[in-house]
Amino acid sequence: AQKITQTQPGMFVQEKEAVTLDCTYDTSDPSYGLFWYKQPSSGEMIFLIYQGSYDQQNATEGRYSLNFQKARKSANLVISASQLGDSAMYFCAMSLTGTASKLTFGTGTRLQVTL
Amino acid sequence: GAVVSQHPSWVICKSGTSVKIECRSLDFQATTMFWYRQFPKQSLMLMATSNEGSKATYEQGVEKDKFLINHASLTLSTLTVTSAHPEDSSFYICSTMVNLDTQYFGPGTRLTVL
Repeated sequence: AQKITQTQPGMFVQEKEAVTLDCTYDTSDPSYGLFWYKQPSSGEMIFLIYQGSYDQQNATEGRYSLNFQKARKSANLVISASQLGDSAMYFCAMSLTGTASKLTFGTGTRLQVTL
Repeated sequence: GAVVSQHPSWVICKSGTSVKIECRSLDFQATTMFWYRQFPKQSLMLMATSNEGSKATYEQGVEKDKFLINHASLTLSTLTVTSAHPEDSSFYICSTMVNLDTQYFGPGTRLTVL
């Protein structure tokens, strides 16, 4: 069975600074997908970024980038130039077969951006 | 704009009553939808996979007779919490695949059972 681990229950970052949210995963399946979602206080899950297990390059989407280290089984999210609106819960998730099918979520990291 | 909608956004009901939550895909057809629940300050847990025109597939430990799922059309899946009790109070979220690498979530429904 697959497992996602997020070891940082909470993180603080100053506005305009970069922050890294950690995520490690465990699966024996060679084909999988890794996702990051943002959940603000409203509750909605907002898709941020995706990395496929066979992708050679790290995924990037605007201020978001995914530091994919396959040998270490880590998929850390890097947010550059943090903004106050980035304050939210962030969840790392994984699906097998590389498609967005059933997602297994980590426990989440609460990010607080300060002035 | 939103690709998945849910209704209602919140509901309060008495213990023993049933509550229906709708999940709609907007502007596209969704043969598969997923239902998750999230307890306060916890992560999302997959409850079941809803397949259009066939029975839902439930995750281990989820009572299929309590959480009835119907996916009668390509744009609508419903989750009915039957004989709700206070321990069923939770945040219920549906999702669907848009592309192979993208799964979008609805805004969620907050259920409170008194």
